[in-house]
Amino acid sequence: EAQVTQNPRYLITVTGKKLTVTCSQNMNHEYMSWYRQDPGLGLRQIYYSMNVEVTDKGDVPEGYKVSRKEKRNFPLILESPSPNQTSLYFCASSPSGPWYNEQFFGPGTRLTVL
Amino acid sequence: GQQVMQIPQYQHVQEGEDFTTYCNSSTTLSNIQWYKQRPGGHPVFLIQLVKSGEVKKQKRLTFQFGEAKKNSSLHITATQTTDVGTYFCAGLENSGAGSYQLTFGKGTKLSVIP
Repeated sequence: EAQVTQNPRYLITVTGKKLTVTCSQNMNHEYMSWYRQDPGLGLRQIYYSMNVEVTDKGDVPEGYKVSRKEKRNFPLILESPSPNQTSLYFCASSPSGPWYNEQFFGPGTRLTVL
Repeated sequence: GQQVMQIPQYQHVQEGEDFTTYCNSSTTLSNIQWYKQRPGGHPVFLIQLVKSGEVKKQKRLTFQFGEAKKNSSLHITATQTTDVGTYFCAGLENSGAGSYQLTFGKGTKLSVIP
């Protein structure tokens, strides 16, 4: 089944404790992206990747890192999480960029930083 | 930067009534996409509009792209309880030099009263 998977689905952590949220897609998509969703703010892009080893900042990249060493994986790294990073995170992928292709979203990761 | 305003933020309708959500961009868009997110779920692609004045239909859903490519609407005829969710538009702007920016509206949350 074609899909985007994220792990973990739920995470409660404490300020300053490094964490990684994994994202994997099995559709051989070139483009992958991370979004955060907050009440009243909609979906805001954190980082995106056009292909392996190619990443770029989205609208709200501060406090996050990403890497794209393999085409299928695009982990989101929070080196020193803070409470304002409490949010619902979505990974998405599309064949060659969201510009003329639909994005396929993962199920989401709900992160709470205490 | 590009802004995509979506209204209304919330809409409560009686089952069988019609529903419309509107997206307005501060700049001319290359295309616009619409997504639906069920409660507790992830965004799912509905449609993409590319041409000025384009109208597309999916059963009870009608999507329009304005002549100036700065606004769009989604209209649902005779709502059903299965239509419940948040509807997002995502506008693509050509920001020059081969660069594009995709911006999501904040969404319209639709509640349907049986």
